[in-house]
Amino acid sequence: KNQVEQSPQSLIILEGKNCTLQCNYTVSPFSNLRWYKQDTGRGPVSLTIMTFSENTKSNGRYTATLDADTKQSSLHITASQLSDSASYICVVSADSGTYKYIFGTGTRLKVLA
Amino acid sequence: DAGVTQSPTHLIKTRGQQVTLRCSPISGHKSVSWYQQVLGQGPQFIFQYYEKEERGRGNFPDRFSARQFPNYSSELNVNALLLGDSALYLCASSYGRDRTYEQYFGPGTRLTVT
Repeated sequence: KNQVEQSPQSLIILEGKNCTLQCNYTVSPFSNLRWYKQDTGRGPVSLTIMTFSENTKSNGRYTATLDADTKQSSLHITASQLSDSASYICVVSADSGTYKYIFGTGTRLKVLA
Repeated sequence: DAGVTQSPTHLIKTRGQQVTLRCSPISGHKSVSWYQQVLGQGPQFIFQYYEKEERGRGNFPDRFSARQFPNYSSELNVNALLLGDSALYLCASSYGRDRTYEQYFGPGTRLTVT
């Protein structure tokens, strides 16, 4: 069964600290993996997209990694800011004839001053 | 350039009623997808439409239906509403139907069924 699992479910850190969010997937055949940031009550906003051949991709203070062998991805946030408080969702796309995006349940990050 | 727009922003319905949600994609985008996001969960894929045809369907009952118009806007219809249909309904548009195209999400419609 195609699944995307994220950990931790929630995380509280102090402003200026770094953190790493994890995503494990069992989606097959793999097409690409996206990380989204979703503010409460808003639609998700894309941070990064990685295909099978990409190991690392950065977007400002956000760096995503992908290990296609172990089917794991991480999102590292550097020098966190209060505005980073949001849910971070990992989404894996299956490369099949049927259009399919599988969403994780997200990690809820709270950055405190 | 305007992003993806959805209407209404909030909606309250009672069980058994029917509801229609609307989505306007980014100009030039031909693909629209619908998602249901229950509180505390990740979005669940409902439908994708591309060039006015259904190209993908998630595991939702037949009470859920959608269509895409010639201007690429889309409507999601839900009949015989249940309490469990209460959720944030997200619309996303992309230029093409291929999974490598970036999806841009709208702000969502918050549906409450009482």
